[in-house]
Amino acid sequence: GEDVEQSLFLSVREGDSSVINCTYTDSSSTYLYWYKQEPGAGLQLLTYIFSNMDMKQDQRLTVLLNKKDKHLSLRIADTQTGDSAIYFCAGTHQAGTALIFGKGTTLSVSS
Amino acid sequence: KAGVTQTPRYLIKTRGQQVTLSCSPISGHRSVSWYQQTPGQGLQFLFEYFSETQRNKGNFPGRFSGRQFSNSRSEMNVSTLELGDSALYLCASSLDRAETQYFGPGTRLLVL
Repeated sequence: GEDVEQSLFLSVREGDSSVINCTYTDSSSTYLYWYKQEPGAGLQLLTYIFSNMDMKQDQRLTVLLNKKDKHLSLRIADTQTGDSAIYFCAGTHQAGTALIFGKGTTLSVSS
Repeated sequence: KAGVTQTPRYLIKTRGQQVTLSCSPISGHRSVSWYQQTPGQGLQFLFEYFSETQRNKGNFPGRFSGRQFSNSRSEMNVSTLELGDSALYLCASSLDRAETQYFGPGTRLLVL
């Protein structure tokens, strides 16, 4: 079945760029997603990329997709303390409807 | 447009009891999915409803069930609660099946 892996922690200084990486096993997912979860909250959709795209930019967010290596990354430019949260990448198994999530990367931003 | 709403936000139950959680999707969204989030297992898919029918189910015991109403609102029920059912239960809605899912704030369930 689908497996999604992420590094668990990332610590950056305010103003730096953050890069959160994700690898996945099932390449049939039509879209790949990035969600953000703040303490005590639900999941907020940050951005997503269609599987036939290599890159998508959305303000401070840049998503890169390498289908050959099954690698997805999220770059946050000019990281702020408000970006501190857990970031999840997700895809769907066999282009189905159930989202398969990684364990999440905790981003800590220090001032 | 209002987002996904879930009620109640917090719930404390004891082992053996049952619980019903409610989810109202974004207006116009017809698909509702439920997920369980725990520190140990992370985020796991429970089930998906579309047009009042369960379309997809994750690997959870039969104690976990759900339904969807004609207005797309959904409920999930857990019977004979176990300590391990303590979790954040998240509901997500999408316009149609296989579309982008938008999540609610979740219901935090504590089983004592």
